[in-house]
Amino acid sequence: DIQMTQSPSSLSASVGDRVTITCRASQDISNYLVWFQQKPGKAPKSLIYGASNLQSGVPSKFSGSGSGTDFTLTISSLQPEDFATYYCQQYNSYPYTFGQGTKLEIK
Amino acid sequence: QVQLVESGGGVVQPGRSLRLSCAASGFTFSNYGMHWVRQAPGKGLEWVALISYDGSNIDYADSVKGRFTISRDNSKKTLYLQMSSLRADDTAVYYCAKRGAARGYPIDYWGQGTLVTVSS
Repeated sequence: DIQMTQSPSSLSASVGDRVTITCRASQDISNYLVWFQQKPGKAPKSLIYGASNLQSGVPSKFSGSGSGTDFTLTISSLQPEDFATYYCQQYNSYPYTFGQGTKLEIK
Repeated sequence: QVQLVESGGGVVQPGRSLRLSCAASGFTFSNYGMHWVRQAPGKGLEWVALISYDGSNIDYADSVKGRFTISRDNSKKTLYLQMSSLRADDTAVYYCAKRGAARGYPIDYWGQGTLVTVSS
């Protein structure tokens, strides 16, 4: 199975900050990576697919990059509604594994 | 708009069975593969199973293989997850999720989830 490792596991930031979350795959997954946002008690929401493509309706403050094994999610100009847990998932091969999540908290 | 509504969750004893449903609307259900993904309380997301648009291709996580069965009824626009020999570690919120149309078919929409609690 492909292991997905996110860092950091948690992150404190202030409103207006720019933050970056990293996701590393244990083997080459090309660009078959998606990022999700999940707020407490809610279903995940798809943000980015294909490592760098914004899902319809997602604001451009979210951006993704990477290919192969190393990927990043960047969120610019943090607003209160952005504080949530973020997950990466690879869909290159079964089983479609997730990262362990990065909890973004308000400083 | 895409809507996925799960049902069928509840409290069940270890070793018993339960069937989850996911009713789809707002898109042509028969054109898209579907997933089940679960999340144990306070934990991360775990992919459970996938079924292709026509049911011809199915795959499972090792943790549920042989105990869970994913299926679909395209005439009813409904996805199912038949769960048997349930264990305490199957306790989780179960989400259905739709495959997108982009290359590789990433998940693009999720249901709100249904909670399954396995306890005596």
